[in-house]
Amino acid sequence: DVKVTQSSRYLVKRTGEKVFLECVQDMDHENMFWYRQDPGLGLRLIYFSYDVKMKEKGDIPEGYSVSREKKERFSLILESASTNQTSMYLCASSLSPGQGNTEAFFGQGTRLTVV
Amino acid sequence: EDQVTQSPEALRLQEGESSSLNCSYTVSGLRGLFWYRQDPGKGPEFLFTLYSAGEEKEKERLKATLTKKESFLHITAPKPEDSATYLCAVLRWGAGNNRKLIWGLGTSLAVNP
Repeated sequence: DVKVTQSSRYLVKRTGEKVFLECVQDMDHENMFWYRQDPGLGLRLIYFSYDVKMKEKGDIPEGYSVSREKKERFSLILESASTNQTSMYLCASSLSPGQGNTEAFFGQGTRLTVV
Repeated sequence: EDQVTQSPEALRLQEGESSSLNCSYTVSGLRGLFWYRQDPGKGPEFLFTLYSAGEEKEKERLKATLTKKESFLHITAPKPEDSATYLCAVLRWGAGNNRKLIWGLGTSLAVNP
């Protein structure tokens, strides 16, 4: 059974803190993604990575950075948390076209609250 | 501009009342259309992938179809446990940053017993 695991279900952090969200997948997928999901705005892509040490900015990268040192792990970093980063964060992974089915599989989500 | 539009935004059905959800798209370089189910407070759960016009997939009470401009998720004789938000996404795949999933905003389905 495919699995994407996010390190926390719920987090509460203070404004200005550095926050790390971890994601691990066990499917040997090349592609990994970080999204945030807010009511009325849908899923918005923050960053994605299509290979180890590779990263591409998504639609809303400001205030975030990522790290992918190993194929199975993709970390999202909030350099200095702000209240407008309170959201549901979702990690996903997938194969690329030509390597198999391309559907993305999601983790359970991390509900981050910045106070 | 690449876009995925889902309709209706919300749908309320009686148990057993069949209906369809729509996902229309304008995306160049489409490499797949996906349907997901999302329960409150959880990550999206994959349902179906469709790659070419005319393709159909079925799972229990759900059936997904694809044309060149839209996809439908047909729900036959729904039950209360089918209540969820259903999301549609289209994969665009090109070089470098020109590769992404483009998401609709979802249809919130409520099935009353």
